[in-house]
Amino acid sequence: TQLLEQSPQFLSIQEGENLTVYCNSSSVFSSLQWYRQEPGEGPVLLVTVVTGGEVKKLKRLTFQFGDARKDSSLHITAAQPGDTGLYLCAGARGGSNYKLTFGKGTLLTVNP
Amino acid sequence: EADIYQTPRYLVIGTGKKITLECSQTMGHDKMYWYQQDPGMELHLIHYSYGVNSTEKGDLSSESTVSRIRTEHFPLTLESARPSHTSQYLCASSELGSYGGTEAFFGQGTRLTVV
Repeated sequence: TQLLEQSPQFLSIQEGENLTVYCNSSSVFSSLQWYRQEPGEGPVLLVTVVTGGEVKKLKRLTFQFGDARKDSSLHITAAQPGDTGLYLCAGARGGSNYKLTFGKGTLLTVNP
Repeated sequence: EADIYQTPRYLVIGTGKKITLECSQTMGHDKMYWYQQDPGMELHLIHYSYGVNSTEKGDLSSESTVSRIRTEHFPLTLESARPSHTSQYLCASSELGSYGGTEAFFGQGTRLTVV
């Protein structure tokens, strides 16, 4: 059973388009993180959200944490080829706050 | 920028050989992890450590073993490599971020191919 479900699994868009990817769970998380991974590299942390309903912006990226702290979304405005990569969400739950569970990821391709 | 290093980056080795993948971090983090990942696929936790002399199996069963004798060092060993072990192995360490959530820092990974 996958604790964190990410959708879509694959997304291919043209430069300049907007997109949203999702990370959903039936479990409550004390925090959720979003990572971006380029081919042949390790994931790099983009953002952490900890408060239900929280919205964080990182340039053209907007991250939202659901009110019930069970889901999150990542919205990219005016996507660029440099945004291409695997976007992973990860959550830590209550007592095992140090142990991160990762979703399968969304593989995003932005075509010039 | 994260200070966590993995060596080698790439390794091609014959079946039956013993291998050790190295992972070191200079951030003083107590918690360290090993993940296994196939290209473009999800990360599977195979080992983690709370600190020195503490190691636990992860969610995905693995024939590999780990040790944590020093805070900064978390090597992974395969006693007898098999083609089914071919994968990318990612090492990470974590800290509690300023916002209260666990934040992980990853090495660049070791791409292992067993022939």
